[in-house]
Amino acid sequence: EAQVTQNPRYLITVTGKKLTVTCSQNMNHEYMSWYRQDPGLGLRQIYYSMNVEVTDKGDVPEGYKVSRKEKRNFPLILESPSPNQTSLYFCASSSRSGGVTDTQYFGPGTRLTVL
Amino acid sequence: LAKTTQPISMDSYEGQEVNITCSHNNIATNDYITWYQQFPSQGPRFIIQGYKTKVTNEVASLFIPADRKSSTLSLPRVSLSDTAVYYCLVAAYGGATNKLIFGTGTLLAVQP
Repeated sequence: EAQVTQNPRYLITVTGKKLTVTCSQNMNHEYMSWYRQDPGLGLRQIYYSMNVEVTDKGDVPEGYKVSRKEKRNFPLILESPSPNQTSLYFCASSSRSGGVTDTQYFGPGTRLTVL
Repeated sequence: LAKTTQPISMDSYEGQEVNITCSHNNIATNDYITWYQQFPSQGPRFIIQGYKTKVTNEVASLFIPADRKSSTLSLPRVSLSDTAVYYCLVAAYGGATNKLIFGTGTLLAVQP
């Protein structure tokens, strides 16, 4: 089954404790990205990657890191989480045949709480 | 990137047709218009995409006027299961940037 998976689905942590949220897709997609969703603010892109070893900032990259060492994986790293990073996070992927107009396939989401 | 503006929320009743309009006044020539639907506790999923005039699929219709400064998602005869947040996305085919800006979305509440 074609899908985007994220782990963990729920995470409660404390300020300053480094964490990684994994994202993996099995559709051989080139484009992958991370979003955060907050009440009243909709979906905001954090980082995106056009292909392996190619990453770029989205609209809200501060406090986050990403890497793209393999085509299927795109982990989101919070080196020193803070309470304002408490949010619902989504990973998404798409092919590049149509550029960013291609259908974005979203993962199930990761709900992160930073105390 | 074209910024989009949508109503924050809309109410409807089962069986009615619902039209959600998105404004994108500074849309560029290469931009496409895509709508996504998001149910609670799930990631958004693709509904429909268009460039101009009208597009229809088994789920919805998308109306885009000639100036392309707005678009309207039309959901025929909604049911309770259509209660969701709907996002309008404007992005360029082969554009200068590959960043995506989804905006705040419209919460559609369908009542019995």
